[in-house]
Amino acid sequence: AQTVTQSQPEMSVQEAETVTLSCTYDTSESNYYLFWYKQPPSRQMILVIRQEAYKQQNATENRFSVNFQKAAKSFSLKISDSQLGDTAMYFCAFMKLMEYGNKLVFGAGTILRVKS
Amino acid sequence: DTEVTQTPKHLVMGMTNKKSLKCEQHMGHRAMYWYKQKAKKPPELMFVYSYEKLSINESVPSRFSPECPNSSLLNLHLHALQPEDSALYLCASSQGPQITVHSPLHFGNGTRLTVT
Repeated sequence: AQTVTQSQPEMSVQEAETVTLSCTYDTSESNYYLFWYKQPPSRQMILVIRQEAYKQQNATENRFSVNFQKAAKSFSLKISDSQLGDTAMYFCAFMKLMEYGNKLVFGAGTILRVKS
Repeated sequence: DTEVTQTPKHLVMGMTNKKSLKCEQHMGHRAMYWYKQKAKKPPELMFVYSYEKLSINESVPSRFSPECPNSSLLNLHLHALQPEDSALYLCASSQGPQITVHSPLHFGNGTRLTVT
């Protein structure tokens, strides 16, 4: 079974500081896709960053970057220079292959609060 | 601004009512999805339409009935719901029939449903 684990239910960070959200997953597949989504109080799920498993280079998107450790099945998200607008629930997601397509399996989420 | 539009934003309905949730996208995406999300929980996949055909049904009760009239529209018809069906219902779309880093999920803002 493919599962995604986010071990930090809640985290806080001071504005302008750096924070890392952890994510581990379990799979027997060799190639797959990983994503981080954020969901602010506005409710919309927003794609933050994406990673292909066969690409060793860690993905980056402006202040957001990942530390992808394939052997350890770890996919942590680093947010640099945290801003108040980064306050949200963050979900790590794994793309699971199915017989008639694929679907995202989400972790339980981490609530991040950025404090001024 | 979201490119996936959901209406209504809020809906309150009784257990004997019939209502519909609507979702629209004009990005030319060929797959559309319904998710159910309880408070502080990750989204749970309900249905997937690929090229306007139902490709995945995650064993959802028949009181939820999806419909895809064309490639831009996705409806979710509701009938005889239970209070435990109260949740945020999210619609999403992807460019292709498979979720990849090049064809990630784009979400709408959701419909907050309350069943009384």
